[in-house]
Amino acid sequence: DTEVTQTPKHLVMGMTNKKSLKCEQHMGHRAMYWYKQKAKKPPELMFVYSYEKLSINESVPSRFSPECPNSSLLNLHLHALQPEDSALYLCASSQGQRMDTYEQYFGPGTRLTVT
Amino acid sequence: AQSVTQLGSHVSVSEGALVLLRCNYSSSVPPYLFWYVQYPNQGLQLLLKYTSAATLVKGINGFEAEFKKSETSFHLTKPSAHMSDAAEYFCAVTGSGGSNYKLTFGKGTLLTVNP
Repeated sequence: DTEVTQTPKHLVMGMTNKKSLKCEQHMGHRAMYWYKQKAKKPPELMFVYSYEKLSINESVPSRFSPECPNSSLLNLHLHALQPEDSALYLCASSQGQRMDTYEQYFGPGTRLTVT
Repeated sequence: AQSVTQLGSHVSVSEGALVLLRCNYSSSVPPYLFWYVQYPNQGLQLLLKYTSAATLVKGINGFEAEFKKSETSFHLTKPSAHMSDAAEYFCAVTGSGGSNYKLTFGKGTLLTVNP
C-alpha cells in the first residue's frame, strides 16, 4: 500500500471557524510533511515531522497548527484563517527526511476555501 | 541555496510527438534533481530522480531525463506523447547535508497533448 489519504477532499470555512485537516499513511514512513499549493503555483513546504516530532517549521503563521498524534497520522489545525489561505493543502510522507535518499509520496490534497 | 528554472509555463504537443520539458538548476553543491507530475485535482507523483549516479535517468511512463553539468540542465523527454501525459510537470532540487530535507520546486510546466 503506497497510498497517502487526506480528508476532507474539500473544505469551506469562515474566518472565525476552527477546522482540521487529516492525513494518514500506513507505509511505515517516519517523516511526514504539509505543503501549501496556490492555484497555478508549485507546492511550498510548511512543516516537516520526523519520528513524530516537529523538525521543520518554514515560518508558517500560528493560525496553522500541526500535530502528529502517532506515526501514521498527521493533522493540520486551522483557526482564524484569512481568504488568502485558500489553497490546496498537500500531505506527503517518506521513509526518512533525507530527500536525496527517500521518495516522498503525496496525498491527493484538501482544497480549502476561506470565506 | 538551490533553485530550478523551468523554461516555458505551457508546452503543447501533438499525440505521438516528442515531449521536451526544460529545467535548469542553480546550486553551489552537487544537486539532487527530481521531476514530478501532477494530474488535475491530484497530488504529485515522482517521475524520476537524479542522485549523482548515471547521468541519464529513466523514469516511469516512458519518461527520461539527462543531467548535463556543463549546461546546468535536467530536461525531461518522452519520445512519443500520449493523451494521458497531459498534466502539470514540476522540476525540483534538494541540496546535500543540512539542506537535504527540502524540495525546492520550479514554477511548473503545463503539458497539453492535442489529438
